Amino acid sequence: DQQVKQNSPSLSVQEGRISILNCDYTNSMFDYFLWYKKYPAEGPTFLISISSIKDKNEDGRFTVFLNKSAKHLSLHIVPSQPGDSAVYFCASRDSNYQLIWGAGTKLIIKP
Amino acid sequence: DAGITQSPRHKVTETGTPVTLRCHQTENHRYMYWYRQDPGHGLRLIHYSYGVKDTDKGEVSDGYSVSRSKTEDFLLTLESATSSQTSVYFCAISAVRMNTEAFFGQGTRLTVV
Repeated sequence: DQQVKQNSPSLSVQEGRISILNCDYTNSMFDYFLWYKKYPAEGPTFLISISSIKDKNEDGRFTVFLNKSAKHLSLHIVPSQPGDSAVYFCASRDSNYQLIWGAGTKLIIKP
Repeated sequence: DAGITQSPRHKVTETGTPVTLRCHQTENHRYMYWYRQDPGHGLRLIHYSYGVKDTDKGEVSDGYSVSRSKTEDFLLTLESATSSQTSVYFCAISAVRMNTEAFFGQGTRLTVV
């Protein structure tokens, strides 16, 4: 039973447009949410995070939105650039401070 | 880039043989983690360490053991490898427990035949 779900295995977006990656979770006790980015043959790198007490966090071209009532978070990338092509993982922190990861969404930015 | 190195980067081994993966860090971070990544599952925590000789189990610890005799090294051992342990293994480090600044190694691709 996956507690963190990324229902889109892949997403293709035109360069310069907005990319929206989605993540759903089931455990209302998760208190912190993170997005990581992963290139092939590399380890994940931290991108952006949000606490459960907030509903939005912005860092340059990246914004994460949290809707606690819907148990849903999303990552917006504006504008999308070729270097953004990667696999994006969302992760949620549980009460034991362990991260529960989604399966990832592969983002492809088309020129 | 954080100083974290995994070795080997690739390994093919036979079922039933022991395998040890090494994670080495130069950041002096207290926490170290071993994850595995499989298609459709994202990353799953195997074991983690919160100090020298202090380790604890993660979500998928069966069939794995770890050791941390020095701050900089965290070893993952498969005592008797099985085909279900074919995966990509990632080591991560952080200064604070499961905080946002977790840095990952480049991964070890292990194939058990």
